[in-house]
Amino acid sequence: SQTIHQWPATLVQPVGSPLSLECTVEGTSNPNLYWYRQAAGRGLQLLFYSVGIGQISSEVPQNLSASRPQDRQFILSSKKLLLSDSGFYLCAGTGESSPLHFGNGTRLTVT
Amino acid sequence: AQKITQTQPGMFVQEKEAVTLDCTYDTSDQSYGLFWYKQPSSGEMIFLIYQGSYDEQNATEGRYSLNFQKARKSANLVISASQLGDSAMYFCAMREGGDDKIIFGKGTRLHILP
Repeated sequence: SQTIHQWPATLVQPVGSPLSLECTVEGTSNPNLYWYRQAAGRGLQLLFYSVGIGQISSEVPQNLSASRPQDRQFILSSKKLLLSDSGFYLCAGTGESSPLHFGNGTRLTVT
Repeated sequence: AQKITQTQPGMFVQEKEAVTLDCTYDTSDQSYGLFWYKQPSSGEMIFLIYQGSYDEQNATEGRYSLNFQKARKSANLVISASQLGDSAMYFCAMREGGDDKIIFGKGTRLHILP
C-alpha cells in the first residue's frame, strides 16, 4: 500500500529565511502528488499538484513554489518566508483507483 | 465559487447516537469521486470512505456510510453508533473526472458527548 513520508514534523523559521519541505512516496509508481496548507482550525487549501516529473500545477499565487525532480519526490519551497506562510502543510498522493493518502504533516511557524 | 460545501462548522452529539455530516458539491462533470476524511487533534488525515459518481450503491465501511444523492449533489457521511473516539474534524473532498485536482470542504468539527 502507498505510504507518504514527510518531514520535518515541526519547523520554526524566521521571516525572510528559505524553506524546503520534502515529501516522498512508497508503494506506488507515477502517483499524483499534492501539497495542501491548513490554517489553524480551518480547511485544506490546495497549493500545488503534480501528475508527473517536472509537471506542476499551481492553484494559489503565493510566496511558495513546488518541484518534482523524481517520480516519488515532491518538494515545497520558498526563497523568503512570510509570517502568513505559517500553517500545517500536508503532502498527499494518489495512485490509480486509490484514495488520497496523506503524510503526517509539517507544522511551520514563521517568527 | 466553492465546489464543496460543508454547512455545519460544529456539531455536538450524544455518544451512541447516529450522526449525519452534510456535504454538497458542485460539478458539471458526469464522472467524479467523493471522499470523506477524519482529522483527529493529532493532525493526521484518515481516509474513511469513497463514492464514485457511477456507483449505484451507497458506499459503506464499517460504521461509516455515505448517503449519496446524485440529483441533489449531496454526499452526506453517516456515522452509526457514535463513539467518543469519533470526536474530530471531518472533511468532504471531490475529484472531478476531467481533472486531477482534489479539493476539500471547510470541514465539520464533531464533538461526541459522554
